[in-house]
Amino acid sequence: DTGVSQDPRHKITKRGQNVTFRCDPISEHNRLYWYRQTLGQGPEFLTYFQNEAQLEKSRLLSDRFSAERPKGSFSTLEIQRTEQGDSAMYLCASSLSGGAKREQYFGPGTRLTVT
Amino acid sequence: AQSVTQPDIHITVSEGASLELRCNYSYGATPYLFWYVQSPGQGLQLLLKYFSGDTLVQGIKGFEAEFKRSQSSFNLRKPSVHWSDAAEYFCAVGEGTGNQFYFGTGTSLTVIP
Repeated sequence: DTGVSQDPRHKITKRGQNVTFRCDPISEHNRLYWYRQTLGQGPEFLTYFQNEAQLEKSRLLSDRFSAERPKGSFSTLEIQRTEQGDSAMYLCASSLSGGAKREQYFGPGTRLTVT
Repeated sequence: AQSVTQPDIHITVSEGASLELRCNYSYGATPYLFWYVQSPGQGLQLLLKYFSGDTLVQGIKGFEAEFKRSQSSFNLRKPSVHWSDAAEYFCAVGEGTGNQFYFGTGTSLTVIP
């Protein structure tokens, strides 16, 4: 257990529905990252927060995706109008600030299946 | 652009045998390099990291990795594999001034008795 938790662990939804995932980082970490991992691939960066500010977004993050970290603690990732291509593992990670030197601690992930 | 290549999709070794997992990266400056392990149903766990200094780094669970700048490689090694080492292994490179990690596609390790 790394100290990063994600909820739910599994989500099955029908195409076109909206889903929301939650990530609770390690409490003293001010950076929070979201990644997507599809079968047979490594995690792909989606976005990251420094405290409550969303500082970087990947082009993978289409306008159907939105992420928030309202109080600089937990974060939510929402996917609107889900598509079958959104089926993946969504990983959250947190770290202290300090650039790429800082180790990222990963949560167990939320596995999304869109039917 | 930064990239990470793990040439071996799947490796099978016998318990007690030595292991080497390959990782090659593409990055202009000195990279920050990491190896993570992912077991089924678990998140990624950091095995070891390299920032600078001694090019041979020691990690947890008896793993080590060697940074070779001339070969743009950061291969992971273990002298004697245990059945519990069966998992997916990911190499990652961190961009020095940025904040992104770039992961390889992973190597799946099977350990046979």
